[in-house]
Amino acid sequence: DSGVTQTPKHLITATGQRVTLRCSPRSGDLSVYWYQQSLDQGLQFLIQYYNGEERAKGNILERFSAQQFPDLHSELNLSSLELGDSALYFCASSVVGSGGAPGELFFGEGSRLTVL
Amino acid sequence: QKEVEQDPGPLSVPEGAIVSLNCTYSNSAFQYFMWYRQYSRKGPELLMYTYSSGNKEDGRFTAQVDKSSKYISLFIRDSQPSDSATYLCAQGPDSWGKLQFGAGTQVVVTP
Repeated sequence: DSGVTQTPKHLITATGQRVTLRCSPRSGDLSVYWYQQSLDQGLQFLIQYYNGEERAKGNILERFSAQQFPDLHSELNLSSLELGDSALYFCASSVVGSGGAPGELFFGEGSRLTVL
Repeated sequence: QKEVEQDPGPLSVPEGAIVSLNCTYSNSAFQYFMWYRQYSRKGPELLMYTYSSGNKEDGRFTAQVDKSSKYISLFIRDSQPSDSATYLCAQGPDSWGKLQFGAGTQVVVTP
C-alpha cells in the first residue's frame, strides 16, 4: 500500500459527460502529480500541484482541469469527454526535496475511465 | 520525440533467464535514473534508482546508466514468474520532483 488513495477505481460514462477523479496523497506529502496511462502513449504527465499551487503542466488538454485543496487532496476534472479519454489516471505524491529516494513518487492504484 | 524512449514489448522469457530492458533518453540535464515496476491493475512502484553513470545492484536486479550514449538498462537475473510486470524507466527529478517516464516494457516470465 503506497498510502495514496484514489477514487473511484472504475468509472464508465458517455461521451460529452464530465467526471471528477479524487486523490488523497500520503500523509505529509505536499506534491501531487496526475498522470494518464494509455496503451499507445504510456505514462503521460498531466499536471502537478505543490501545497495548493500549480507548479507544472504537461500534456493536459484544455477540457481537463485540476486543483489541490487546503487539506492537500486533489481533484482532476475531465469534461466534454471523448472516446480517446478512456485511460487509467494515476495520482502520485511526493515530499519534494527531502527524504526517500530522489524523485520517488508514490502512486495510487489509479482510476480507470471508460468513455462509451 | 519523447524525452525517454522505451520499447513497449512484450518481452517473454522462460523462468530462470536473464531479462534485459533498455531505455534511451535525450535530456542530459537530469542526474537520477529510476526503474519503476507496475503489476497489472496496480500503480507503479519504485524498484531502484541510480545517480549519474555506473551500475547499481540490488539482489537479482542491476541497473546501469551510460551517460555517454544516453542509455539506461535494467537486468533481472534468475527471472521468476513473479517478475512478470511492466517496467518503466524514468529520469529526473526537476526542481519540483517531476519525472519523465518511458512508455514501459511488459515482461512475461513463463514457468
